[in-house]
Amino acid sequence: TQLLEQSPQFLSIQEGENLTVYCNSSSVFSSLQWYRQEPGEGPVLLVTVVTGGEVKKLKRLTFQFGDARKDSSLHITAAQPGDTGLYLCAGVSGSARQLTFGSGTQLTVLP
Amino acid sequence: GAGVSQSPRYKVAKRGQDVALRCDPISGHVSLFWYQQALGQGPEFLTYFQNEAQLDKSGLPSDRFFAERPEGSVSTLKIQRTQQEDSAVYLCASSSVNTNTGELFFGEGSRLTVL
Repeated sequence: TQLLEQSPQFLSIQEGENLTVYCNSSSVFSSLQWYRQEPGEGPVLLVTVVTGGEVKKLKRLTFQFGDARKDSSLHITAAQPGDTGLYLCAGVSGSARQLTFGSGTQLTVLP
Repeated sequence: GAGVSQSPRYKVAKRGQDVALRCDPISGHVSLFWYQQALGQGPEFLTYFQNEAQLDKSGLPSDRFFAERPEGSVSTLKIQRTQQEDSAVYLCASSSVNTNTGELFFGEGSRLTVL
């Protein structure tokens, strides 16, 4: 059972389109991270958000942490084939020591 | 190497066999985590070490799973009497901090297939 639910589970778009991926939970997180994973590789950290309402931009990627720190979104503008991968949100809630990962969004950007 | 190294990359086992998966974390990293990942899903937490101490093993699915990190560096995840449902990618990650907000550096994973 995943504490963090991501949507959509699968997304296939054309190069140049914009997209948003959502990460939702009923739990409050002290911080939330986004990772991208390519086939045969481990996840790689994209960003960490720690403050409710925080917005971070990383080139064409915009990350937002919800005011209540229960949800987050990742927006990609002008997607490129190189953006293809499994996008994972991960956070720590309560007294847990470990990151809990979301269910993932598999993004495919077609040329 | 500079990153987290896992071996073997691929392991095929017959049901009932024991397997051992090795993780070499980044040198000097205090924290080490093991995760299990099913195809197309997010990683599921198995266990966490801070140096040689196993501080959390709440994610280990059964007593057939055992992990150790005797000298606070290399870690081994052992699965006894493997079952088909154990088939997954086993990811190891390390972190330079002993808090839970630090960046995790993942290895490429060990893909286990149980026939």
